[in-house]
Amino acid sequence: ILNVEQSPQSLHVQEGDSTNFTCSFPSSNFYALHWYRWETAKSPEALFVMTLNGDEKKKGRISATLNTKEGYSYLYIKGSQPEDSATYLCAFETGANNLFFGTGTRLTVIP
Amino acid sequence: GAVVSQHPSRVICKSGTSVKIECRSLDFQATTMFWYRQFPKQSLMLMATSNEGSKATYEQGVEKDKFLINHASLTLSTLTVTSAHPEDSSFYICSASLGTGGYEQYFGPGTRLTVT
Repeated sequence: ILNVEQSPQSLHVQEGDSTNFTCSFPSSNFYALHWYRWETAKSPEALFVMTLNGDEKKKGRISATLNTKEGYSYLYIKGSQPEDSATYLCAFETGANNLFFGTGTRLTVIP
Repeated sequence: GAVVSQHPSRVICKSGTSVKIECRSLDFQATTMFWYRQFPKQSLMLMATSNEGSKATYEQGVEKDKFLINHASLTLSTLTVTSAHPEDSSFYICSASLGTGGYEQYFGPGTRLTVT
């Protein structure tokens, strides 16, 4: 079992604030790093799949960076909105779709 | 976007009975589907990889005779928990992928299983 850690475990921010969280993963046997957004009672939704060191991806107000050499990825949310409230999961892929998930960062955006 | 459904969303069964969970890709064909489970305060853990028309590949520590997986078509995979016990109570969730390696996975909404 590979160790994928996410921090913080939970986070409360005010509407309009920008925030970021971290995913740490092994620096060996890297194939891809996935980010998912999981709202309560819904299906996890894919945000990004990143494969190259230095990758930066953006979707609206959400962006992510990747450092495979040191084994971390950051997820950023600019101008948080209440609808951003969810658990954000990262998953480390070793290839062939084998994903090892972190326990997630639970974000609550306070109106 | 690709949609995956899962049924039932919640099931309560008695110890010793079997429960079947269905996972369907609604608008795409999935050659590979995945089954995960999540215990409270833990991460999603891959149980098995299900390939259409062939036997599933189980992760270490997952009993293949207890968790039967059938992937009979490109849009349907089923997980049957046989002779369920209270320790099998968990959240089970499936996903499907359009390809192998570096592809995003599309998840169902999950099934909460409670064994009494």
